Amino acid sequence: DSGVTQTPKHLITATGQRVTLRCSPRSGDLSVYWYQQSLDQGLQFLIQYYNGEERAKGNILERFSAQQFPDLHSELNLSSLELGDSALYFCASSVGRQGHNEQFFGPGTRLTVL
Amino acid sequence: AQSVTQLDSQVPVFEEAPVELRCNYSSSVSVYLFWYVQYPNQGLQLLLKYLSGSTLVKGINGFEAEFNKSQTSFHLRKPSVHISDTAEYFCAVSSTLGGKLIFGQGTELSVKP
Repeated sequence: DSGVTQTPKHLITATGQRVTLRCSPRSGDLSVYWYQQSLDQGLQFLIQYYNGEERAKGNILERFSAQQFPDLHSELNLSSLELGDSALYFCASSVGRQGHNEQFFGPGTRLTVL
Repeated sequence: AQSVTQLDSQVPVFEEAPVELRCNYSSSVSVYLFWYVQYPNQGLQLLLKYLSGSTLVKGINGFEAEFNKSQTSFHLRKPSVHISDTAEYFCAVSSTLGGKLIFGQGTELSVKP
């Protein structure tokens, strides 16, 4: 158990819908990262927050947005969903914001768009 | 920009045999290197990391990796694998500029009895 929790574990929805994925980092970790894992794109970095502020952005679509709240939990919002958004979404946390900090991964949320 | 190439998508091996999973990276800045393992239906777990210093790093479960700057490689090795090592293995880099991880495509290690 990494100490990072993600809810829900599974999510099935229809095209055009909007969903929210939730992540609680390990106690004491200030950085939260979101990654998408799909068969065709592999594991891709989406976005990083550190202590409530956006720190880095990857290949995140404009239909996707995220935020980190004062209690440090984070939410990833996916809207106008398309079939291609079906993937495993991971949250990871680390104590700092630098590259040498180990990232601890949650179990993921499996999103299926029908 | 950084990129990671894992040279083998699948590696089948017999139990108690040695294994090497290959990883090459490209970066214009100094990097930190990581190997993660993903068991079926689970998240990623860190096996080992190279930050600086000794180029041979030891990790959990008997794995080790060697950083080779001239060849821009970070190959993962284990002298004797077990059935329980069957999983997908990801090589990743981050840089001194920030924490995001850039992953390779993964290598599926299949250990057969």
